[in-house]
Amino acid sequence: EDKVVQSPLSLVVHEGDTVTLNCSYEVTNFRSLLWYKQEKKAPTFLFMLTSSGIEKKSGRLSSILDKKELFSILNITATQTGDSAVYLCAVEINTDKLIFGTGTRLQVFP
Amino acid sequence: NAGVTQTPKFRVLKTGQSMTLLCAQDMNHEYMYWYRQDPGMGLRLIHYSVGEGTTAKGEVPDGYNVSRLKKQNFLLGLESAAPSQTSVYFCATERGDNEQFFGPGTRLTVL
Repeated sequence: EDKVVQSPLSLVVHEGDTVTLNCSYEVTNFRSLLWYKQEKKAPTFLFMLTSSGIEKKSGRLSSILDKKELFSILNITATQTGDSAVYLCAVEINTDKLIFGTGTRLQVFP
Repeated sequence: NAGVTQTPKFRVLKTGQSMTLLCAQDMNHEYMYWYRQDPGMGLRLIHYSVGEGTTAKGEVPDGYNVSRLKKQNFLLGLESAAPSQTSVYFCATERGDNEQFFGPGTRLTVL
């Protein structure tokens, strides 16, 4: 059975801290891994990763994929209260299907 | 551009009632998806469509039907609602490069 597991489930930090969110997967026919940020409502796209070892970066957020060990990490440096959200990891297993993890809830306090 | 819209935003049903959730997009995307989101379970794919007139089952299709008669609309139907279908439903679209655009969600409660 295909599955995507995220850890930790929940994280509480202070502004300025650096956090690392984990996503591991066991799927057949891996095509890509995606990260989303979900605040109050709909998830918004952050990164898509297809190749091992190539870091994707956007401002204070970065992500990398390890296809040998079957995981990805999402790093957020110098966290801000606006980073508070649920971060979702999803793995594309066929042309049209995504399997989502349960998410990591990040709370950043001033 | 409205992007992806969903109607209604909220709905309360009694067990056995039927309803249809509408997803509409103005981005001319081929792919459309219906997900449900439940606490501790993440987003699960119900049904999806790769183009007008086509639909396919996702992870949790039982109890739901869908139709894609027009490219811009993807309808999700519940013929006989059950309490287990209480959830938040998200529609998403994609033009084919894996970046999905989500609607604002519909919160459905089945009593």
